[in-house]
Amino acid sequence: DTAVSQTPKYLVTQMGNDKSIKCEQNLGHDTMYWYKQDSKKFLKIMFSYNNKELIINETVPNRFSPKSPDKAHLNLHINSLELGDSAVYFCASSQGWGGSNQPQHFGDGTRLSIL
Amino acid sequence: GQQVMQIPQYQHVQEGEDFTTYCNSSTTLSNIQWYKQRPGGHPVFLIQLVKSGEVKKQKRLTFQFGEAKKNSSLHITATQTTDVGTYFCAGQRAGNQFYFGTGTSLTVIP
Repeated sequence: DTAVSQTPKYLVTQMGNDKSIKCEQNLGHDTMYWYKQDSKKFLKIMFSYNNKELIINETVPNRFSPKSPDKAHLNLHINSLELGDSAVYFCASSQGWGGSNQPQHFGDGTRLSIL
Repeated sequence: GQQVMQIPQYQHVQEGEDFTTYCNSSTTLSNIQWYKQRPGGHPVFLIQLVKSGEVKKQKRLTFQFGEAKKNSSLHITATQTTDVGTYFCAGQRAGNQFYFGTGTSLTVIP
């Protein structure tokens, strides 16, 4: 069974569109994250939620809006997509709260390409 | 914000050669984690170091945490093609989230 699953795996869309990426974890973890990995492999944290509460919100355009309906799910909605949004988006989860030292478990990533 | 830099950014080695990546933080860390990301894959947790000067080994991989807890290294002895990937350190200050380093991409030439 996949521990952290993201959908879709690939997303190709036009500039200006709105899209969502979904993430679910079945590990019973309390904290979930969204990361953006660019073409140079830099892995930048975007958001972190602990038990459905937003605890980390790095400098991210407000076109990006995370939503956590419950602690097993963290979705990412992106409005008015831009060329610079092309990247791989990873969802991750960990036990405890965001400041605990538990390992993070990553999903397979969503490869977003903006035309 | 917290800065975690890794060097080198890229490394090409012949199979059988050793490899080392270095991780440096601008601030003192409470602990550091290392992850490996295979090409086309996702980061996978390898190990965590907590104590000053700590050294841990996993087969051919040796991880070290600096005495001042501001730097760390990962050394691979006698690289194999299965070692190919990008290695990330992730440093944490007490009570804060982890910040991932810039990564070192390793290519092993058979």
